[in-house]
Amino acid sequence: QVHLVQSGAEVKTPGASVKVSCRASGYAFTSYDINWVRQATGQGLEWMGWMNPNTGKTSYAQKFQGGVTMTRDTSTTTAYMELSSLRSDDTAVYYCARRNGGLDFWGQGTLVTVSS
Amino acid sequence: DIVMTQSPDSLAVSLGERATINCKSSQNILYSSNNKNYLAWYQQKPGQSPKLLISWASTRESGVPDRFSGSGSRTDFTLTISSLQAEDVAVYYCQEYYSTPYTFGQGTRLEIK
Repeated sequence: QVHLVQSGAEVKTPGASVKVSCRASGYAFTSYDINWVRQATGQGLEWMGWMNPNTGKTSYAQKFQGGVTMTRDTSTTTAYMELSSLRSDDTAVYYCARRNGGLDFWGQGTLVTVSS
Repeated sequence: DIVMTQSPDSLAVSLGERATINCKSSQNILYSSNNKNYLAWYQQKPGQSPKLLISWASTRESGVPDRFSGSGSRTDFTLTISSLQAEDVAVYYCQEYYSTPYTFGQGTRLEIK
């Protein structure tokens, strides 16, 4: 069965970077785009971007361009999302999700807390 | 960017009654070449990751109870729960995947009356 397992919670200081991993299993990793979505506490879902694990091609929401980098390691079927120059309002749960039409499988989420 | 607007923001429905959530997109999300609406519905319960209920505006995902249905086309869409169960209490989101950024609606909180 399909699983997306994310790395654990992170605490960062403002200005630092964070890299969240998302290990996929149970399907052909290179056949489906990986999307990243974040959710601040008590808020809605915010789409950040997608990556094609086969080609490495990415597309980021304009809000995150210049600050986010999505990559992958096909040998370990792992996708990564790195967010730089963190601010307090980047505090959120970050999700990876596979896109198959809609986002059909989601990771468990990674809480990133940005605090001085 | 396409803007997705849900209504209402919150909804209270009695057990066994029908719940209806609307989603309006600022642009047409029907792709003419395949006649598909690029619209998904998700359910999110507290402390959980979102769960995909419906893709292509009306295609229910495997394992989703048939009391959930999606309808609509082009710019206006609806998620209907035909007979509300206690386990349906959640926040529901629509999302377009017609063009990036794949924006979500702001969410509709569904509660029991």
